[in-house]
Amino acid sequence: AQRVTQPEKLLSVFKGAPVELKCNYSYSGSPELFWYVQYSRQRLQLLLRHISRESIKGFTADLNKGETSFHLKKPFAQEEDSAMYYCAIGGGADGLTFGKGTHLIIQP
Amino acid sequence: DGGITQSPKYLFRKEGQNVTLSCEQNLNHDAMYWYRQDPGQGLRLIYYSQIVNDFQKGDIAEGYSVSREKKESFPLTVTSAQKNPTAFYLCASSIDNRGAFFGQGTRLTVV
Repeated sequence: AQRVTQPEKLLSVFKGAPVELKCNYSYSGSPELFWYVQYSRQRLQLLLRHISRESIKGFTADLNKGETSFHLKKPFAQEEDSAMYYCAIGGGADGLTFGKGTHLIIQP
Repeated sequence: DGGITQSPKYLFRKEGQNVTLSCEQNLNHDAMYWYRQDPGQGLRLIYYSQIVNDFQKGDIAEGYSVSREKKESFPLTVTSAQKNPTAFYLCASSIDNRGAFFGQGTRLTVV
C-alpha cells in the first residue's frame, strides 16, 4: 500500500530564512508525487507535481528515489507562505493518498 | 466557469440519520475522490472512482457509501453506521496525473 509521511506537524521559520518541508513515501513502482497547499479559509490547491519539475511561488521539490523523499524547499520564506502543506502520492488505480500535513508558520 | 462544487457548505445530522453530500464537477475529469479531514489527521481517503459506474474503497470506507452514475457527479452518503461522522469532507477530481482539484468542502456536524 502506498503511504506518505510528513514528520513535522508544525514548522516555524523567520521571514527570509530557508524552508524545507519533509516528505517521505512508500510505494511499489514509479510514484506520482504532489505538494498541495491550503491557505487560511481557502480550498486545498495543487502547488506542484514532480513530473513537471516546475517551480511555483519559489518552491521546488526534487524526487529522491534512493531516499524515497520528496521534500519541498524554498530559499527565502515570505509571510504569505504561511499555510498547511500536504504531500501526496498516487492518483492512479490506488487513489491519491495524502500525508498528515505540516503547518508552516512564517514569523516576521 | 469550470470547477468542482460541493453542497451544502454546512450540514447537521441527527443521530441515526443518513445524509448525502453532493459533489459536482464540470471539468470533464474521469477520477473523483472523497476525503475526510480531521485536525491532526490530514486527509483520509474514503472512496474514489476512476470511471463512471465504478468506485473503490479507500482507507476509511466503513459507514459511507457512494455512487457514480454520471461523470460529473459523485455523491457521498454518510450512513448511521458511521459512528463518528462529525468532520470536514472534501471532494476532488483529477485527470491523468495532473493533480487533483478540490471543492470548498462540507462541514458535517452530528446534533
